[in-house]
Amino acid sequence: DQQVKQNSPSLSVQEGRISILNCDYTNSMFDYFLWYKKYPAEGPTFLISISSIKDKNEDGRFTVFLNKSAKHLSLHIVPSQPGDSAVYFCAARNEFYQLIWGAGTKLIIKP
Amino acid sequence: KAGVTQTPRYLIKTRGQQVTLSCSPISGHRSVSWYQQTPGQGLQFLFEYFSETQRNKGNFPGRFSGRQFSNSRSEMNVSTLELGDSALYLCASSWQTGGYEQYFGPGTRLTVT
Repeated sequence: DQQVKQNSPSLSVQEGRISILNCDYTNSMFDYFLWYKKYPAEGPTFLISISSIKDKNEDGRFTVFLNKSAKHLSLHIVPSQPGDSAVYFCAARNEFYQLIWGAGTKLIIKP
Repeated sequence: KAGVTQTPRYLIKTRGQQVTLSCSPISGHRSVSWYQQTPGQGLQFLFEYFSETQRNKGNFPGRFSGRQFSNSRSEMNVSTLELGDSALYLCASSWQTGGYEQYFGPGTRLTVT
């Protein structure tokens, strides 16, 4: 089973607060995870990644957490800014080096 | 450094026709991957080319094919178009193969009528 699920189609967060985007997966063979951001009429832009041997990776305002036992991945954005409003995709690399993508979560940052 | 470019940006075709989409990667990138995105769905992996060789292929029918040229530019072809092929086709380039960080183009919106 190769599924990557983003169960929240949309999320609304107040500017300055924390945004938490979640992703669940089913394949224990996934070894590398990535988050991408997508604005309308543009291709996805890489944000941050994490290897399965780690449980946390930070890059500025973005932190990704990996809970392998729960097969759960989350992206924290602190503080949230208006420019963060976009669709966020999580992706996982399988044993065939293919990226399996979630359906995306639309993040809306309210002023 | 110029980003990934895709042409054309929009395309309307009739069922049964064939179509060719083009992708120019970032200079120096030798890996090009193609994805299909339909409404409400994540990206579905089509195939990856690296140094003119297909390195990986997703679960799509043989009507979907691709190639890569010596300058790393890539083309994707879909023959005998079906209504369900209507989608956004995204191309991504990377300096290495293997599903690492990729840089995406804006996509080609294909509509099949």
